[in-house]
Amino acid sequence: GDSVTQMEGPVTLSEEAFLTINCTYTATGYPSLFWYVQYPGEGLQLLLKATKADDKGSNKGFEATYRKETTSFHLEKGSVQVSDSAVYFCALSEFGSQAGTALIFGKGTTLSVSS
Amino acid sequence: GAVVSQHPSWVICKSGTSVKIECRSLDFQATTMFWYRQFPKQSLMLMATSNEGSKATYEQGVEKDKFLINHASLTLSTLTVTSAHPEDSSFYICSARGSYNEQFFGPGTRLTVL
Repeated sequence: GDSVTQMEGPVTLSEEAFLTINCTYTATGYPSLFWYVQYPGEGLQLLLKATKADDKGSNKGFEATYRKETTSFHLEKGSVQVSDSAVYFCALSEFGSQAGTALIFGKGTTLSVSS
Repeated sequence: GAVVSQHPSWVICKSGTSVKIECRSLDFQATTMFWYRQFPKQSLMLMATSNEGSKATYEQGVEKDKFLINHASLTLSTLTVTSAHPEDSSFYICSARGSYNEQFFGPGTRLTVL
């Protein structure tokens, strides 16, 4: 079945460092891909998404490009801040954007940024 | 943005009792809601898909008689953990599907069964 694999954490960075969190997926169809973020004590929030190959999702300085040839959706940010400390989940939606489809999540990567 | 609330945020109960968790979409209507379970330092596991006005669809391995789901209106879905036992202690999270198939998540409910 469909699955998502993301790099194990925790990732510890200094403020203003470059961030990459790797995410690869396995899917039989043409999924939509998402990054969700969970700040301490809060629920999951959609960070960005891409619905087809070569799409680039971006939000709050974070970017991820849907690479069908490498089945990847790596999350990047050029300069992280302490406020970016959170758990990041890569996810896919089966069968693309069909209505009512649930999300398949990766295991999550904890990011800790120090000043 | 779309807001999803859950109530209660934390509940402690005795073994053998039943607990109801509510999930509400506050500013939009959601024909589909999802229930997830999250263990400490692990990812979310989908338990069931809840469609307004119809029976929920449960994932393999999830006991439908133990985790009762009701989606009686376009803004409310409930999860009832029946005859709860310590192994049911977990973080339960709901989400509601928006107009563009995005999912908006509630803050979660921490269930502790003594």
